[in-house]
Amino acid sequence: AQSVTQLDSQVPVFEEAPVELRCNYSSSVSVYLFWYVQYPNQGLQLLLKYLSGSTLVESINGFEAEFNKSQTSFHLRKPSVHISDTAEYFCAVSAGGSEKLVFGKGTKLTVNP
Amino acid sequence: GAVVSQHPSRVICKSGTSVKIECRSLDFQATTMFWYRQFPKQSLMLMATSNEGSKATYEQGVEKDKFLINHASLTLSTLTVTSAHPEDSSFYICSAGLQSGGYTFGSGTRLTVV
Repeated sequence: AQSVTQLDSQVPVFEEAPVELRCNYSSSVSVYLFWYVQYPNQGLQLLLKYLSGSTLVESINGFEAEFNKSQTSFHLRKPSVHISDTAEYFCAVSAGGSEKLVFGKGTKLTVNP
Repeated sequence: GAVVSQHPSRVICKSGTSVKIECRSLDFQATTMFWYRQFPKQSLMLMATSNEGSKATYEQGVEKDKFLINHASLTLSTLTVTSAHPEDSSFYICSAGLQSGGYTFGSGTRLTVV
C-alpha cells in the first residue's frame, strides 16, 4: 500500500519569494507521483506528474518537482511565487492508472503581498 | 482531452432523501472510476473504486448501502447518496484513471443536506 506525508499543513510566504512544499511517500512498488492544486470551492487541477523518465518535472506556471527515489520524496518548488499561487496543494501517489490515487493531507500555501 | 464532466456542481436536499451525482467521460472510455469525499479543509478520502460492468470496491468504513455506485457503461459512473443526513454534507469528486498512467478529475459536487 502507498502513503503520502506532507510535512507542512500551512506555508505562508511573501510575494516573489521562493517556496518549497515537501512531500514524502512510501510504497513497496514503483510509483507514479502527482501534485494537484485546489482553489477554494473548486475541483482539483493537475500541476505536474512523474510517471517515468527525467526525475525533474515542470509545470507551465513555473513550478517544478524532483523525484528522489533514495529519499522517497517529491518536493514541489517555485523560485518566485505570486499572489495567485495561493491555494491548497496536494501530493498524491499511485501504482498506476487503474490503481487508486492516495493523497497527502495537503499544504495550504498563502502568498502575502 | 480526457475530460470528466461531473453534475450537479451543487445540490441541496432534505434529510432522508436520495441524491444522485453523475460523472461522464466526454472524450475517452473510463474503465476505472474513483469516488472521493472531501471534508472542509481536509484531504480527499477515497470512498470506492468502480470498474465498468462490475461491483464497486469500497474502502474500509464506507457504507456500501448508503453510497451506491453504478458504473454501467464506459462513459458514465454514478454515486447515489441514499437517505441523506446532514453528516453526509461534503464535497464529492470523481476521478478516472487514464491509460497514460495519470488521472483526470471531475469538478466536484457540493452536497448540503438540510
